[in-house]
Amino acid sequence: EDQVTQSPEALRLQEGESSSLNCSYTVSGLRGLFWYRQDPGKGPEFLFTLYSAGEEKEKERLKATLTKKESFLHITAPKPEDSATYLCAVLGLSSGSARQLTFGSGTQLTVLP
Amino acid sequence: GAVVSQHPSWVICKSGTSVKIECRSLDFQATTMFWYRQFPKQSLMLMATSNEGSKATYEQGVEKDKFLINHASLTLSTLTVTSAHPEDSSFYICSASRGGNEKLFFGSGTQLSVL
Repeated sequence: EDQVTQSPEALRLQEGESSSLNCSYTVSGLRGLFWYRQDPGKGPEFLFTLYSAGEEKEKERLKATLTKKESFLHITAPKPEDSATYLCAVLGLSSGSARQLTFGSGTQLTVLP
Repeated sequence: GAVVSQHPSWVICKSGTSVKIECRSLDFQATTMFWYRQFPKQSLMLMATSNEGSKATYEQGVEKDKFLINHASLTLSTLTVTSAHPEDSSFYICSASRGGNEKLFFGSGTQLSVL
């Protein structure tokens, strides 16, 4: 059974204070690791997909990295508008052709002005 | 980018009534759509996988007679919460994929409140 654990559960940063969110996973054959941003009362918004260890992707102040056991979402010089819940999810071979993602519980990020 | 539209955004209903939620893929055909439930400050819990033209596959513990799923076309899946009760109050989200290892696109969610 695929499992995803995110830490910390909540993170409060001052504007400009860089930090990282962690996503640890166990999966029977990784087909993809996904990062989503979710604002209150909204559906998740896609950020990144990572497919293999060593891969990195960047978008504005966000950078996602992947190893064989975990992924990090690095936030550089965050702004208040980066406040949201960040979800990590994996797609493993056990999901077959159904493409069912297994989600972590998320990290609630608050960036204070 | 691909868009998934979900309606309604919120609904308030009396206990015992049924509520239908629609999920549409606007610019691609989705043979498979997924329905999730999310409680406050918790992650998404997969309820069922909706397959076009066939019966939905429900996760363990999800009552298929209570949460009716219909995927009548390649762009539309509906979730009907039958005889809703206050414990069914939750945030329901649908998603769809174009296939393969493609990312999932999510609807904006439906907040259901059962009085």
